[in-house]
Amino acid sequence: QSVLTQPPSTSEIPGQRVVISCSGSTSNIGSNFVSWYQQVPGTAPKLLIYKNRQWPSGVPGRFSGSKSGTSASLAISGLQSDDEADYYCATWDDSLNGPVFGGGTKLTVL
Amino acid sequence: QVTLRESGPALVKPTQTLTLTCTFSGFSLSSNGMCVSWIRQPPGKALEWLAVIDWENDKYFSTSLKTRLTISKDTSSNQVVLKMTNMDPMDTATYYCARITWNGIYADHWGQGLQVTVSS
Repeated sequence: QSVLTQPPSTSEIPGQRVVISCSGSTSNIGSNFVSWYQQVPGTAPKLLIYKNRQWPSGVPGRFSGSKSGTSASLAISGLQSDDEADYYCATWDDSLNGPVFGGGTKLTVL
Repeated sequence: QVTLRESGPALVKPTQTLTLTCTFSGFSLSSNGMCVSWIRQPPGKALEWLAVIDWENDKYFSTSLKTRLTISKDTSSNQVVLKMTNMDPMDTATYYCARITWNGIYADHWGQGLQVTVSS
């Protein structure tokens, strides 16, 4: 059972927008930055968003992050077939005194 | 250019100790704000943080695994070593090392991962 809660799966057609949620608590999301990772099966995760809403270089602006209270969201607009992957949120947990991941969301592009 | 590479055994027996080495380049683990973390992923399951070591040699461990883990660094060799004792088949996973930036706690560079199977 992950400390951060994500929907196990979501799907959308190409060109549309999808939002993936990440729910936590005051000891993690509520008081720390959130990052998001994309993992294509069989490969290492890749940083998509850091400090809630910032992009590393090379990540397209179709990916955007936001945070409100104890929840965070990753939005992907203009869906493409190669966006099909697993997406994970992560943050620090002050109670556990360590980083935590969400359970991951499998995105299917129909 | 930042790179990280995991090395270690692909197969360990139950009850043995797993020793993994992360060899990195492109940054120094003595620089302010730099950390290296170990993360694992059992087949078909989610990512799980194991341990983090920072530039001041402070260490953070998964609450559920802390009694089995040690992490150390050799700054001059640009290596971080993770040891996990009393390995069990449930520890079969791909093990990743990643660079963590303390200001924001995010993993901006990852190794390719090392598949470790625990079986007799």
